[in-house]
Amino acid sequence: GAGVSQSPRYKVAKRGQDVALRCDPISGHVSLFWYQQALGQGPEFLTYFQNEAQLDKSGLPSDRFFAERPEGSVSTLKIQRTQQEDSAVYLCASSSLNYGYTFGSGTRLTVV
Amino acid sequence: KNEVEQSPQNLTAQEGEFITINCSYSVGISALHWLQQHPGGGIVSLFMLSSGKKKHGRLIATINIQEKHSSLHITASHPRDSAVYICAVSTSGNQFYFGTGTSLTVIP
Repeated sequence: GAGVSQSPRYKVAKRGQDVALRCDPISGHVSLFWYQQALGQGPEFLTYFQNEAQLDKSGLPSDRFFAERPEGSVSTLKIQRTQQEDSAVYLCASSSLNYGYTFGSGTRLTVV
Repeated sequence: KNEVEQSPQNLTAQEGEFITINCSYSVGISALHWLQQHPGGGIVSLFMLSSGKKKHGRLIATINIQEKHSSLHITASHPRDSAVYICAVSTSGNQFYFGTGTSLTVIP
């Protein structure tokens, strides 16, 4: 596709449920980033991949958050035992060297 | 502590006005990014710059590395420019820091 694709667009989860959010980056983009954006706030960095290697996961808020990119293309952000404070928009971005970043439309997660 | 500060937080302008949004940062950066976010959450990258000035249509972005400051200007503003504008900086370690955004409303 022409852009970064994220799915699902919206997700409602019951507290305690596990969720998986998918990011399909632009083909050939080496770098992939996940961000969490709470309502009314700017995005906060979660984790960064270069190809399949997760080079930085310092932004993951707890060990309930896990991200993978096994073949260096599609990435999945998994949240186990969701809590209400996990409710946010989860944004994915990909980039190729220094040609700028392309963001997906995000997944809005609501934990009830 | 916010590594990136934006001002103003909210801005309302009449159609046609010249608009300036400011961004200051406190970390060493490899690049500064201006992003546009529309209701619904999708983000569009407007500019990535590490020095000087860039222009794209009615949008102009400038950066002063010594002062750690950037501005985004919109000339001849239009209601379709209404969005949240986010300043972000990236470091050499590919760490991103985001401002909290400036919500712009342009009134016809």
